[in-house]
Amino acid sequence: TQLLEQSPQFLSIQEGENLTVYCNSSSVFSSLQWYRQEPGEGPVLLVTVVTGGEVKKLKRLTFQFGDARKDSSLHITAAQPGDTGLYLCAGAQGANNLFFGTGTRLTVIP
Amino acid sequence: NAGVTQTPKFQVLKTGQSMTLQCAQDMNHNSMYWYRQDPGMGLRLIYYSASEGTTDKGEVPNGYNVSRLNKREFSLRLESAAPSQTSVYFCASSRDRGFNEKLFFGSGTQLSVL
Repeated sequence: TQLLEQSPQFLSIQEGENLTVYCNSSSVFSSLQWYRQEPGEGPVLLVTVVTGGEVKKLKRLTFQFGDARKDSSLHITAAQPGDTGLYLCAGAQGANNLFFGTGTRLTVIP
Repeated sequence: NAGVTQTPKFQVLKTGQSMTLQCAQDMNHNSMYWYRQDPGMGLRLIYYSASEGTTDKGEVPNGYNVSRLNKREFSLRLESAAPSQTSVYFCASSRDRGFNEKLFFGSGTQLSVL
């Protein structure tokens, strides 16, 4: 059972464009994490959002946790080639369960 | 600091062969994990060790065994490899087990079972 669906699955954009990646579920999560993974490497944590409606900014990246804590979005402003990678969301349920989304593979073309 | 170190980086096995994936962390973390990553499936938890001396099954434990050798090391064993176990395997660690804890991942082991 896949609890977290990410969309789009693939995204290819030109440098300087804006984009939004979505992470959706019918389940409620205690918190939600976003990771970025580069080829041949493990995922690296970008941010954790905990409160429904919470918005966090990390330079050009804006993360939002849905009011009902069932979904999240990642918005990138003025994308750069260094943003290229696989973006994964992960939702926590209880103290011992962290479920990863299906991933969005982003390519930013110079 | 090296963080989380996994070996080997690549491995090819024949069906029925056995092997052990090694993982070590130097951050004095209590909790360690093994995940597998398959296209379109995200990361799925195989086993985890909340603290030294304990191990628990995750979402997809069948066909695997683990050993928490000490606080630093957590190994994953495939006793009789099957083609369905072809995947990229990641070891991770965190200070403690809990939904707010940051996971630190190794760079992965790409395993092919023929």
